[in-house]
Amino acid sequence: AQSVAQPEDQVNVAEGNPLTVKCTYSVSGNPYLFWYVQYPNRGLQFLLKYITGDNLVKGSYGFEAEFNKSQTSFHLKKPSALVSDSALYFCAVRRVGNNRLAFGKGNQVVVIP
Amino acid sequence: EAQVTQNPRYLITVTGKKLTVTCSQNMNHEYMSWYRQDPGLGLRQIYYSMNVEVTDKGDVPEGYKVSRKEKRNFPLILESPSPNQTSLYFCASSNRDSIYGYTFGSGTRLTVV
Repeated sequence: AQSVAQPEDQVNVAEGNPLTVKCTYSVSGNPYLFWYVQYPNRGLQFLLKYITGDNLVKGSYGFEAEFNKSQTSFHLKKPSALVSDSALYFCAVRRVGNNRLAFGKGNQVVVIP
Repeated sequence: EAQVTQNPRYLITVTGKKLTVTCSQNMNHEYMSWYRQDPGLGLRQIYYSMNVEVTDKGDVPEGYKVSRKEKRNFPLILESPSPNQTSLYFCASSNRDSIYGYTFGSGTRLTVV
């Protein structure tokens, strides 16, 4: 079975500062890893994914994430946070060959002006 | 426009009154899934379907039913809703073994009183 841990419930960051949202995963076999963002009263929007290849992946809205196989982590990063980045962020994992996607509990990001 | 459409967006009902939440996708995806989102618990999978007439339980299937008679539709049925099923529900779809993750609907906020 696959699972995801997002250890922090809320991340507060000042506008313009770097933003990091942590994610660790557990899966048998090779993982596909995803980050989604949810704005208030909206569905989940895809941000970025890791499938294979370069460990640093770039996604929408200036976000990137680094895959670390030895630490089983897939932390989301943004060099300079914007107030509009305030939202709920979900990390998700699935095993190659299996469609089931397991989500973490989510991290509320609050960017302070 | 490629999308997953859920209806209704908001629903208030009484305990025991059967209801159906509809989900339809226009991308010819084989895989469809239902999740519920609760504060502090993230997204938990209720049921999923690998293709027409193929459905299986997710992590929290109790109190729910689904059917997949057509490829595009995957309704969620609550035969006898209870207050603990008050939640935000999301339908999602993807291609088999897709590297692109899921496409999500906008969500259905259900309140059972």
